[in-house]
Amino acid sequence: AQTVTQSQPEMSVQEAETVTLSCTYDTSESDYYLFWYKQPPSRQMILVIRQEAYKQQNATENRFSVNFQKAAKSFSLKISDSQLGDAAMYFCAYGSFIQGAQKLVFGQGTRLTINP
Amino acid sequence: NAGVMQNPRHLVRRRGQEARLRCSPMKGHSHVYWYRQLPEEGLKFMVYLQKENIIDESGMPKERFSAEFPKEGPSILRIQQVVRGDSAAYFCASSPPSMSSYEQYFGPGTRLTVT
Repeated sequence: AQTVTQSQPEMSVQEAETVTLSCTYDTSESDYYLFWYKQPPSRQMILVIRQEAYKQQNATENRFSVNFQKAAKSFSLKISDSQLGDAAMYFCAYGSFIQGAQKLVFGQGTRLTINP
Repeated sequence: NAGVMQNPRHLVRRRGQEARLRCSPMKGHSHVYWYRQLPEEGLKFMVYLQKENIIDESGMPKERFSAEFPKEGPSILRIQQVVRGDSAAYFCASSPPSMSSYEQYFGPGTRLTVT
């Protein structure tokens, strides 16, 4: 079974600085997707960024980028120019396929605090 | 296009009662997933359904929990004889038949409190 590990329960960063959240996963599959979700206090799950395992190029969405190391099974999230609105729980997730649709496995989450 | 809708947003039940959680997927989506989030934890997969079919229920507790996604109407997650340990946030997500985006769209969740 696939597992996802986020080793940092909490992180904090000064506003406008850069922070990196870590994620490792375990799988024997070769085809899968990886995701970072943000969960603010409202509890709504918001997709931040996704990475296809077959792509070597790291995904980027504005201030958010990933460092995907397939051999090391590592998938870290970098947030540049941190803003107060980035404060939230961040979950790393692994997507595997069953009968044409995805089953997501989530990590335990990292609580990110932004210091003004 | 309305997003995934869940109701109620908050549900309080006494031990032994039944809880029914509803999920209306996004228009055009035929795949529904239910996840449970215990306090201070990540989401855990419970069940994956397509219209009138349970495809994977490997994450569902063996007893008291059931799910359905009828031909018409919302998907229902039903918890019978609730216990305090059932207190959690329950999230529904949906995806379209085509998996070109490989993305699940989440609803706002239902927070169940068992007293």
